[in-house]
Amino acid sequence: GNSVTQMEGPVTLSEEAFLTINCTYTATGYPSLFWYVQYPGEGLQLLLKATKADDKGSNKGFEATYRKETTSFHLEKGSVQVSDSAVYFCALSDYNFNKFYFGSGTKLNVKP
Amino acid sequence: DTAVSQTPKYLVTQMGNDKSIKCEQNLGHDTMYWYKQDSKKFLKIMFSYNNKELIINETVPNRFSPKSPDKAHLNLHINSLELGDSAVYFCASSQDLAGSNTGELFFGEGSRLTVL
Repeated sequence: GNSVTQMEGPVTLSEEAFLTINCTYTATGYPSLFWYVQYPGEGLQLLLKATKADDKGSNKGFEATYRKETTSFHLEKGSVQVSDSAVYFCALSDYNFNKFYFGSGTKLNVKP
Repeated sequence: DTAVSQTPKYLVTQMGNDKSIKCEQNLGHDTMYWYKQDSKKFLKIMFSYNNKELIINETVPNRFSPKSPDKAHLNLHINSLELGDSAVYFCASSQDLAGSNTGELFFGEGSRLTVL
């Protein structure tokens, strides 16, 4: 079946630190992969996506590369800001089942 | 202009009551969803409609009944509310079915339901 596993939080970093949030997946087909971000009190917003192996998604300084060989889609940012504090969700979509599968979310706290 | 809007944003009610949450999207999307987010932030798909047709109905108590009067609206009605129904309910839409290149989700801001 399909599933997404991401590292447990919370992750606490100082401003300008390097961020990695790990995400691995299992899928029966060829899914698209996504990172969504949820700021406090808001709905989820798409942060970036990749639709095939070796694609790199990027947005607002965040990057993630679709690695089929390691079934991973790790989120990285070189220098985090306080405004990046949020919950980050890794997700995959599967055309065969017409579903999105979400990881459990990783809370990021960035301190000044 | 809010792309996916849901009302009410907050709902506090007693056990046993019936309540509805409404959702509208102005993106022209074909597919709409209801997700439940629990206190640990875990997101669970409940229902999905494509062009007013039900396509996903997860293992959800039949006290929950979705209704899609047209492809821009997907409402959620809950009968006989229980304490465990307390959660944030998110409506979402996508242009195409999941898995297609344009199948990303657009979420509403959520409706926080508290059952006392």
